[in-house]
Amino acid sequence: GAGVSQTPSNKVTEKGKYVELRCDPISGHTALYWYRQSLGQGPEFLIYFQGTGAADDSGLPNDRFFAVRPEGSVSTLKIQRTERGDSAVYLCASSPRGAGGSYNEQFFGPGTRLTVL
Amino acid sequence: KQEVTQIPAALSVPEGENLVLNCSFTDSAIYNLQWFRQDPGKGLTSLLLIQSSQREQTSGRLNASLDKSSGRSTLYIAASQPGDSATYLCAVRPGYGNKLVFGAGTILRVKS
Repeated sequence: GAGVSQTPSNKVTEKGKYVELRCDPISGHTALYWYRQSLGQGPEFLIYFQGTGAADDSGLPNDRFFAVRPEGSVSTLKIQRTERGDSAVYLCASSPRGAGGSYNEQFFGPGTRLTVL
Repeated sequence: KQEVTQIPAALSVPEGENLVLNCSFTDSAIYNLQWFRQDPGKGLTSLLLIQSSQREQTSGRLNASLDKSSGRSTLYIAASQPGDSATYLCAVRPGYGNKLVFGAGTILRVKS
C-alpha cells in the first residue's frame, strides 16, 4: 500500500508570506505527527493529532504555526508571516494508533523542504 | 526533559567492516526506541523498533540493542556495504507522550 505522502516536495517563498504544507497519512492510521528538521539536526516534534483533534501541540514554536486535520485523515500545516528561520524540512509521520497504545511505530513521509528567502 | 545523543557524529569505514553506532538518552522511562535511516534529501526509513521490554531486535545485517536502565542503545551493522551510506537517526518515545525525541544522527560513509 501507499506510504505517507507530502506535498509539495519543495516550497520557496518570500519572507512574510503564508504557506500551507499537506500530509496524506497511511490509510487507516489514526495518529499523525508533524516534525521539523533543520540542517544537520534530528527532527523536532511540532504537533500530534489523534483523529481530528490536536492531542499535543507543545512543539509549535509560536502562534504563526497552526495545523488542522478536519476529517481525521489529511493534515495541513499552516505557517503565517514566514521568517527566514522557518526554513527547514517539514516531516509528517503516521502510526496506527496513538494514545493508550505503547507500541506504535511511526512511518515518515519524504518531507517538504521549505525555503524562506 | 528527554535528550538523545548519538556518537560518533560521522564515521567512514571501508567496505566489509562491522560497525557500531551509539545512542544514549537521559531519561530511562521510555515506551520504545527506533532506529531510522535517512538518505540525502529524503525522508526517514524505519529500520528497527525496540519495545521498552525488549533487549534487542534484528533485521538482516542490522542488530539493535537496548539497555534501558543505562539509557543506551547500539546499532550494529555487519559486513557494511557502500549502499549503507546514509545518516542513521536514533529516536526514543518518552513514557509521558506520543512524540519521538531524536538524536542529531550519525553520518555513515562506507567506502568501496
